[in-house]
Amino acid sequence: DAGVTQSPTHLIKTRGQQVTLRCSPKSGHDTVSWYQQALGQGPQFIFQYYEEEERQRGNFPDRFSGHQFPNYSSELNVNALLLGDSALYLCASSMGRGAGYEQYFGPGTRLTVT
Amino acid sequence: AQTVTQSQPEMSVQEAETVTLSCTYDTSESDYYLFWYKQPPSRQMILVIRQEAYKQQNATENRFSVNFQKAAKSFSLKISDSQLGDAAMYFCASQEDSSYKLIFGSGTRLLVRP
Repeated sequence: DAGVTQSPTHLIKTRGQQVTLRCSPKSGHDTVSWYQQALGQGPQFIFQYYEEEERQRGNFPDRFSGHQFPNYSSELNVNALLLGDSALYLCASSMGRGAGYEQYFGPGTRLTVT
Repeated sequence: AQTVTQSQPEMSVQEAETVTLSCTYDTSESDYYLFWYKQPPSRQMILVIRQEAYKQQNATENRFSVNFQKAAKSFSLKISDSQLGDAAMYFCASQEDSSYKLIFGSGTRLLVRP
């Protein structure tokens, strides 16, 4: 049973560029959340997708956008990259419509903005 | 606002001994969930243990147990018979029943001495 997968593993971009990160949820899961983890800090919630719609959003600017596909996979897009966007981006999947369900995390994508 | 605080940046334990990691949280809701996640150097976040706030009984998972003090808003993790494989970053997280996002603390790095 494949767990949560993310691609790419590492990415280096220049300030001002745009980036797309991808996530495939664990089999049977229909909900995908994205988190940003800066070096030495805990993850911060970006947003969550359910039924192809953004269900909840954290305190991130509109430069951060996402999408969920009919097969439940998801993309995170970041426009106009800033140096401060350098971080580990984690995708987590879960099942169920309410809170309290275990969120299974992927290995993350390390984004470096130069 | 929902907050999670981990006041121990780093802890050290001798192999086979017991260690307790501290966590305090704040929430205005009466229904919520608490979690401990482990993040080894491989970066993949793994759920260690989960506690529902309405349950008074402390959760246990093999060598891992929690001390949930609801009135004090405290949620500590006890690791018994520590093993080398327990070395990792440990994050405490909370989730309100009305929300889908996990709020993480800043983490505690656990070192295990052979």
